[in-house]
Amino acid sequence: AQTVTQSQPEMSVQEAETVTLSCTYDTSESDYYLFWYKQPPSRQMILVIRQEAYKQQNATENRFSVNFQKAAKSFSLKISDSQLGDAAMYFCAYRPVYNNNDMRFGAGTRLTVKP
Amino acid sequence: KAGVTQTPRYLIKTRGQQVTLSCSPISGHRSVSWYQQTPGQGLQFLFEYFSETQRNKGNFPGRFSGRQFSNSRSEMNVSTLELGDSALYLCASSITRAEYNEQFFGPGTRLTVL
Repeated sequence: AQTVTQSQPEMSVQEAETVTLSCTYDTSESDYYLFWYKQPPSRQMILVIRQEAYKQQNATENRFSVNFQKAAKSFSLKISDSQLGDAAMYFCAYRPVYNNNDMRFGAGTRLTVKP
Repeated sequence: KAGVTQTPRYLIKTRGQQVTLSCSPISGHRSVSWYQQTPGQGLQFLFEYFSETQRNKGNFPGRFSGRQFSNSRSEMNVSTLELGDSALYLCASSITRAEYNEQFFGPGTRLTVL
């Protein structure tokens, strides 16, 4: 079974600083997608960034970037120049391309941004 | 373009009742996925519908069912409600099959079972 682990239930960062959220996953699949979703207090989930497993280059979206280590099955999210609006629950998610390709989510990391 | 809408936003039911939740995807999106979110279990995949057919199903009992209409709107039904069914139910839509495309989430329906 594929599982996603986020070992940090809560994280805190000072505004304008950088923070890294950890995610590891377990899978025997070779083709899959990894995602980071953000869920602000208003509840609507928003996709932050997506990584295809076959791509070696780490995905980047403005202030958000990932460190994808396929052999280590690690997929961390780095938020640079943190802003107050970044405060939210962050979920790491995994989805195989084939074979029972339901989405699996981690338990989430609550990020607090201090002014 | 309007986002994913879910109705109702809040619902209170009692054990043994059944409930139907509705999800309207973004215009042009053909895939709708449903998720259950609880403090204890986190986010869990329920099922995905694409072109009116269930494509994937998570590990939930048969009390949880769904369907998709020709206009891509989807409904989720839970029969014989249990206390543990209390959760936030999220639906997400994508242009085609969810694994290939970004999913856009709705605000959710908060179901409370008493």
